[in-house]
Amino acid sequence: DARVTQTPRHKVTEMGQEVTMRCQPILGHNTVFWYRQTMMQGLELLAYFRNRAPLDDSGMPKDRFSAEMPDATLATLKIQPSEPRDSAVYFCASGEPADDEQFFGPGTRLTVL
Amino acid sequence: GNSVTQMEGPVTLSEEAFLTINCTYTATGYPSLFWYVQYPGEGLQLLLKATKADDKGSNKGFEATYRKETTSFHLEKGSVQVSDSAVYFCALSEWGSQGNLIFGKGTKLSVKP
Repeated sequence: DARVTQTPRHKVTEMGQEVTMRCQPILGHNTVFWYRQTMMQGLELLAYFRNRAPLDDSGMPKDRFSAEMPDATLATLKIQPSEPRDSAVYFCASGEPADDEQFFGPGTRLTVL
Repeated sequence: GNSVTQMEGPVTLSEEAFLTINCTYTATGYPSLFWYVQYPGEGLQLLLKATKADDKGSNKGFEATYRKETTSFHLEKGSVQVSDSAVYFCALSEWGSQGNLIFGKGTKLSVKP
């Protein structure tokens, strides 16, 4: 049963700390997406990668957020320094462009105090 | 630019009631259209999709028809169950967009016994 996995599932941290979220896409998928979901803004696309190269990161605050794919089995989203307004659920999704469907992970719920 | 507009929620229905969640879109080219569902505490998952005009997507008793003339993709179910309580997202993927989806803001559905 192929699934997208995300770690950690929950993270509570203090303002100013570095936060790293990890995602393992489904094996064979070459496109990875990062989303942020809040009550106020809904679902926002932060960045996405194709074959490990960033295609679009225009949704991401560049001064504190960074996203990478060190290899085909791992995508990371880092916030440094974190701020209370970053509190949200962060989703990773993977897919194949020919199919259009995106497969979402369970999310990382981030709370910044 | 491309966009998706959904009816605002929350929608509260009694079990076995008829459900309609409206979705309209704006897009250039030939989009594919999707409905995703998010159950509490989980990531989004694909519910159904349609790739061209007049196609009907269906799954788990839900249906939606791609109406190019009205640029709509309304979600319907004849008899909802308590287990259908979730947030429903309408989305589009434009041909050539390399898998990027444009999501609506989501509509929360609560079904009461």
